[in-house]
Amino acid sequence: DAGVIQSPRHEVTEMGQEVTLRCKPISGHDYLFWYRQTMMRGLELLIYFNNNVPIDDSGMPEDRFSAKMPNASFSTLKIQPSEPRDSAVYFCASGLGLVGQYFGPGTRLTVT
Amino acid sequence: AQKVTQAQTEISVVEKEDVTLDCVYETRDTTYYLFWYKQPPSGELVFLIRRNSFDEQNEISGRYSWNFQKSTSSFNFTITASQVVDSAVYFCALSTWIYNQGGKLIFGQGTELSVKP
Repeated sequence: DAGVIQSPRHEVTEMGQEVTLRCKPISGHDYLFWYRQTMMRGLELLIYFNNNVPIDDSGMPEDRFSAKMPNASFSTLKIQPSEPRDSAVYFCASGLGLVGQYFGPGTRLTVT
Repeated sequence: AQKVTQAQTEISVVEKEDVTLDCVYETRDTTYYLFWYKQPPSGELVFLIRRNSFDEQNEISGRYSWNFQKSTSSFNFTITASQVVDSAVYFCALSTWIYNQGGKLIFGQGTELSVKP
């Protein structure tokens, strides 16, 4: 299996621009998670889906963030408009319940 | 509330030394899972191990071993004969089952291990 695939791997954008991060989970996994990692806050869960349905988005920092999972093999995390404080590494992970979450390589976002 | 504490922020050892990374967790649930992940300098998060709350057997995988003690709510990780390639940030995580919602991982703050030649 190819593992969790994320794109782009690096993104540099200017404040105010829209950013879209993409994720392809491992085939057969029914859970998909979006995390953000920063030095100050560590690893934070933003949102997760079960069978394409958002279950808990309490970690989404504010309305500028939105996530979708239109089908079992694709999810997006969108930030509009982006701000410098959104600079972080964003990880997507997929899993089968509590079996273990497998993480993608991450997208390093820099907002200038 | 659920919480994972990794009290050691940074550890530095010389190659071939044994090193133990501590992890203490808090949860009121009786069914839960504990995990360790490795984050090397390249940045990816690598799944190392999962244990469930009903299995307190220690586990060994090559130079890695894990000691799970419910009595002290600890899930410590030992690397025997450390190598430079073990240098990474190691995260301990806790997941409890929420009916119809699956499991959410609660991560500790991580321990940065530096193994010097």
